[in-house]
Amino acid sequence: LAKTTQPISMDSYEGQEVNITCSHNNIATNDYITWYQQFPSQGPRFIIQGYKTKVTNEVASLFIPADRKSSTLSLPRVSLSDTAVYYCLVGDPTSGTYKYIFGTGTRLKVLA
Amino acid sequence: DSGVTQTPKHLITATGQRVTLRCSPRSGDLSVYWYQQSLDQGLQFLIQYYNGEERAKGNILERFSAQQFPDLHSELNLSSLELGDSALYFCASSAGTAIYNEQFFGPGTRLTVL
Repeated sequence: LAKTTQPISMDSYEGQEVNITCSHNNIATNDYITWYQQFPSQGPRFIIQGYKTKVTNEVASLFIPADRKSSTLSLPRVSLSDTAVYYCLVGDPTSGTYKYIFGTGTRLKVLA
Repeated sequence: DSGVTQTPKHLITATGQRVTLRCSPRSGDLSVYWYQQSLDQGLQFLIQYYNGEERAKGNILERFSAQQFPDLHSELNLSSLELGDSALYFCASSAGTAIYNEQFFGPGTRLTVL
């Protein structure tokens, strides 16, 4: 069974770059890795996804090493509004039926 | 606004009761997912439907069941409720079935079992 772990929490100051890593083993070899952001009392919101190497969009970058056993979400120059919980999402094809596995979540607090 | 609607927003009930949570996906999305979020368990995947058919299944309890109707809305039925079932239940939808299809989450239904 795929298991995903993330740091429980991180603090950062405005304007800094933040890197959040998710460790995942036994993920499907042909699946994407996706990251979501969640604010209190709201549903998660898509940030970025990738399959391998590096992906960048207007809000974040995602780094995935060749062994795909981890992924790192990079948020450049965070602001107070980036205070949220960040989750990685992977797929687990083992145990006979496909499952979506969210990471344990990292609570990011951005300080002024 | 993600375009996914969930009703009711809040639900308070007693142990042993049965409740139904409803989800309407974004226009055009064929996949619907159900997740449970509790403080001690995080976001747990329950089940996925695609165009009326079950597509993927998580650790959904036997007391829970779901279905997706021809108009693509979905219902999650929770029966013989226990205190531990108190949680936020999210519905999400996506255009396709694969994990690379972005999931759009609804606002959730907060279930409190007393």
